[in-house]
Amino acid sequence: AQSVSQHNHHVILSEAASLELGCNYSYGGTVNLFWYVQYPGQHLQLLLKYFSGDPLVKGIKGFEAEFIKSKFSFNLRKPSVQWSDTAEYFCAVSSASKIIFGSGTRLSIRP
Amino acid sequence: DTAVSQTPKYLVTQMGNDKSIKCEQNLGHDTMYWYKQDSKKFLKIMFSYNNKELIINETVPNRFSPKSPDKAHLNLHINSLELGDSAVYFCASRGGSGVLNEQFFGPGTRLTVL
Repeated sequence: AQSVSQHNHHVILSEAASLELGCNYSYGGTVNLFWYVQYPGQHLQLLLKYFSGDPLVKGIKGFEAEFIKSKFSFNLRKPSVQWSDTAEYFCAVSSASKIIFGSGTRLSIRP
Repeated sequence: DTAVSQTPKYLVTQMGNDKSIKCEQNLGHDTMYWYKQDSKKFLKIMFSYNNKELIINETVPNRFSPKSPDKAHLNLHINSLELGDSAVYFCASRGGSGVLNEQFFGPGTRLTVL
């Protein structure tokens, strides 16, 4: 069965710290991968996506993610976080039949 | 020029009532979804419609009934509301075939059952 795991439930960082949020999935076939962000009180917005090609994907607001097929991972990174990055981050995986979201990682940034 | 809109934004009601949430998208997308996000932010898909036809129906109580009058609208009707139904409900839409494209989410409807 298809599944998505985000092991970090809550991450607390200081401003300017580097960020890496983990995302692992289980599915044997071809997948497309997404990271969504949900700012407090708002809806989900797409940060970046991977379909094919270069496994290092650049997204909005300085975020990037790397698809490592051998590890079934799609970790999200940002070299220097800002207070405004405080939000919930969701990894999602889609296959031919459906899209599944991870349980989310809450990111809190200390000013 | 809102892409995916939902009404109402907030809904407070008593247990046992019946209520509806409406969703409309003006993106010309073929597929629409309903998600439930609980207090722990866990996002769970409930239903998916493609061109007005139900294609995903996850394990949800049959008190929840989606209705798609046309491919731009997907409404959610909930009968006999229970305390556990309190959550934020998000509508989303997606264009193209398969699931290759990203989903666009509505602003959410915060349902509180008293």
